[in-house]
Amino acid sequence: SQQGEEDPQALSIQEGENATMNCSYKTSINNLQWYRQNSGRGLVHLILIRSNEREKHSGRLRVTLDTSKKSSSLLITASRAADTASYFCATYSGGGADGLTFGKGTHLIIQP
Amino acid sequence: DGGITQSPKYLFRKEGQNVTLSCEQNLNHDAMYWYRQDPGQGLRLIYYSQIVNDFQKGDIAEGYSVSREKKESFPLTVTSAQKNPTAFYLCASSIFGTGSFQPQHFGDGTRLSIL
Repeated sequence: SQQGEEDPQALSIQEGENATMNCSYKTSINNLQWYRQNSGRGLVHLILIRSNEREKHSGRLRVTLDTSKKSSSLLITASRAADTASYFCATYSGGGADGLTFGKGTHLIIQP
Repeated sequence: DGGITQSPKYLFRKEGQNVTLSCEQNLNHDAMYWYRQDPGQGLRLIYYSQIVNDFQKGDIAEGYSVSREKKESFPLTVTSAQKNPTAFYLCASSIFGTGSFQPQHFGDGTRLSIL
């Protein structure tokens, strides 16, 4: 079963605007990761946030984590055409299973 | 440059045929993973391996098999028992597995279709 659910499923904004996407999950986690996937390509790791962290920044990316609400958000500031991609959240719950559990993703389109 | 190489990029399978997807990494990572991605869906874990000669089933292992004879190689065989194999297959690797909070590095995938 899939752990994370991204919202919205699709998002279209103008270049230069900020993009926010959300992820909700069901069970407790050790860490949550965000990945980007360009069409027909593999996933690229963007940022990892541990369960004891609340916010993390990396360049134009800002990730928040609220473990009480079992949710995370990814903010991309000053969007560029090259940011057009699908974005996935992935959770690691530990307990022996060592793979990540992915959501269905948010497809982001940046209009020039 | 270090990375993960998946081959072939496109693969076609006839009914009743087994096919093997290749995954090679030169990142010296211990853990390797196979995921399946269907259109509009997230990734689902097929198999993973934390060390050579050891591997574990993921969420959707039925109809698939793997081997881990070398640290850098983790081939996936899609057997004839997999009734709906058409999908995009992604291989990934990481240091010591996700339990050590390390990100996964992905190859560019193999798209498998049924003739």
